[in-house]
Amino acid sequence: EAGVTQFPSHSVIEKGQTVTLRCDPISGHDNLYWYRRVMGKEIKFLLHFVKESKQDESGMPNNRFLAERTGGTYSTLKVQPAELEDSGVYFCASSQVGGRPYTEAFFGQGTRLTVV
Amino acid sequence: RKEVEQDPGPFNVPEGATVAFNCTYSNSASQSFFWYRQDCRKEPKLLMSVYSSGNEDGRFTAQLNRASQYISLLIRDSKLSDSATYLCVVNIDNDMRFGAGTRLTVKP
Repeated sequence: EAGVTQFPSHSVIEKGQTVTLRCDPISGHDNLYWYRRVMGKEIKFLLHFVKESKQDESGMPNNRFLAERTGGTYSTLKVQPAELEDSGVYFCASSQVGGRPYTEAFFGQGTRLTVV
Repeated sequence: RKEVEQDPGPFNVPEGATVAFNCTYSNSASQSFFWYRQDCRKEPKLLMSVYSSGNEDGRFTAQLNRASQYISLLIRDSKLSDSATYLCVVNIDNDMRFGAGTRLTVKP
């Protein structure tokens, strides 16, 4: 079974440009999360989809970030325009929705974004 | 106050040592708890879930104290391969929140 996949694995863009990150969750996983890890800092929550709906987007830093999950399958995270402080590793994770309290979240390998 | 707090370390221990990590969480409605491991430049991976009664998996023991809102991870007989960052994760209504991670280095 394929795991969570993210594309691209690396992206280097100039300040002011636009970048779109993609995440394909594990098939059947309705929960999809985006997290970001800035160098030297902790992993921070960005947002959480349940199917195509945004369950919680309280972690989105500002309106330069736009996440979508049309059809409840893959998700994109667009940064427009990118700023230097957006550099970091963006992780996507997915898990099943259900009554089990110990549902594991599986992570993609992350997209390393560098804004220069 | 952060939702999930951990001692960032680093913890530098010799092979064979026993090391313990602590984690506290702020939301008493938190429902489930995990320890994840993250190797350098890799994604986090589940190490173990933390059950109310405490649980053990080989050299690893996890404990939960709901009254004190506290989670711990004990690693016995440390191996070089245990060197990584250990992340405390708390789940509230399917929203997973991470601690900053505790870095462990096991030395020969």
